[in-house]
Amino acid sequence: DSGVTQTPKHLITATGQRVTLRCSPRSGDLSVYWYQQSLDQGLQFLIQYYNGEERAKGNILERFSAQQFPDLHSELNLSSLELGDSALYFCASSVIAGRVSYNEQFFGPGTRLTVL
Amino acid sequence: LAKTTQPISMDSYEGQEVNITCSHNNIATNDYITWYQQFPSQGPRFIIQGYKTKVTNEVASLFIPADRKSSTLSLPRVSLSDTAVYYCLVGYNDMRFGAGTRLTVKP
Repeated sequence: DSGVTQTPKHLITATGQRVTLRCSPRSGDLSVYWYQQSLDQGLQFLIQYYNGEERAKGNILERFSAQQFPDLHSELNLSSLELGDSALYFCASSVIAGRVSYNEQFFGPGTRLTVL
Repeated sequence: LAKTTQPISMDSYEGQEVNITCSHNNIATNDYITWYQQFPSQGPRFIIQGYKTKVTNEVASLFIPADRKSSTLSLPRVSLSDTAVYYCLVGYNDMRFGAGTRLTVKP
């Protein structure tokens, strides 16, 4: 158990809909990262937040957005869903902020999104 | 951002030492080299990180030559539970996972 929690575990929805994925980081971790893992794309970094502010951006679509709240939990919002958005979405957290690759990230169990 | 190249898959047997090499010819001065392990339907788990020479922890060793254009993850005496995908990441301010190396440990 990494200490990172994600809800829901599974989510099934239809094309065109909007969903929100939630992540609670490990106690004491200020940084939260979101990743998407699909069969054909592998594991892709989407976005990072540090103490409530966006810190780094990866391959995140404009239909997707995220935020980190004062209590440090984070939400990833996916809108106008398409079949290709079906994937595992992971959240990770770490203590150190600035250098994304220079710190140990702890991953949550993931949310499996299925778009029908 | 430095691109990494790893073998797609490797097979080994229980008790053997496994070495997985990652090439990163365009590594920048500030870049660190990090390895993660991922089991099916689970999030990746940090294994080891280094900048140069050799780093060792309780589960693995990481060998980095002087030119830093490659790195080798060494897993001593693997067991069936080490069957997983291993990712090599190189960077400073981004986190890009490649395809990884699928290691299969056989009895």
